[in-house]
Amino acid sequence: GAGVSQSPRYKVAKRGQDVALRCDPISGHVSLFWYQQALGQGPEFLTYFQNEAQLDKSGLPSDRFFAERPEGSVSTLKIQRTQQEDSAVYLCASSMLAGGPQETQYFGPGTRLLVL
Amino acid sequence: DAKTTQPNSMESNEEEPVHLPCNHSTISGTDYIHWYRQLPSQGPEYVIHGLTSNVNNRMASLAIAEDRKSSTLILHRATLRDAAVYYCILRDPRMDSSYKLIFGSGTRLLVRP
Repeated sequence: GAGVSQSPRYKVAKRGQDVALRCDPISGHVSLFWYQQALGQGPEFLTYFQNEAQLDKSGLPSDRFFAERPEGSVSTLKIQRTQQEDSAVYLCASSMLAGGPQETQYFGPGTRLLVL
Repeated sequence: DAKTTQPNSMESNEEEPVHLPCNHSTISGTDYIHWYRQLPSQGPEYVIHGLTSNVNNRMASLAIAEDRKSSTLILHRATLRDAAVYYCILRDPRMDSSYKLIFGSGTRLLVRP
């Protein structure tokens, strides 16, 4: 079946430009996560949705980062006024239920963002 | 949060077994031990998880020390496709944020043909 998909796969932005990254989770999955992965590092948690509710946004690095999941399926991560330090791979993951400690998270391929 | 320690890198020959260690000396009694791997240019993928007993699935085996302060991911016959970064992650069900995966730096596995 279809896994998690993300678009675009690559994005080049000029510093100061706004970008929007899309995530299509596995159909029916309740939980959705965004992670940021800098070059050579492990992914770092950004935010968590349960259906349309954003239950945790503690990992968002600044108020320039905004995520939404208005209908409880597709999610968009928006970065306003991009800076060079925002360059990273942005990973989306989904899980079937409410994200419990035994639940598997299924990851998309990521969007590689380069800010010039 | 309890932390994990893994070697930065390991090498293996194709078709030989690989043992990837993870130390977690401050693990709590309720922490689940999860392993994910990340192939080049892909998102992480789940490998296996366990609590106290050793676990086997089609991808790998997980051997957990009796005191739970360490664990070992075992790939029984490494293939070139197993070259990836392997992450050992603890998840504590007592924590409100147990939904969060906290990745360290992982172990980069190189498989030689």
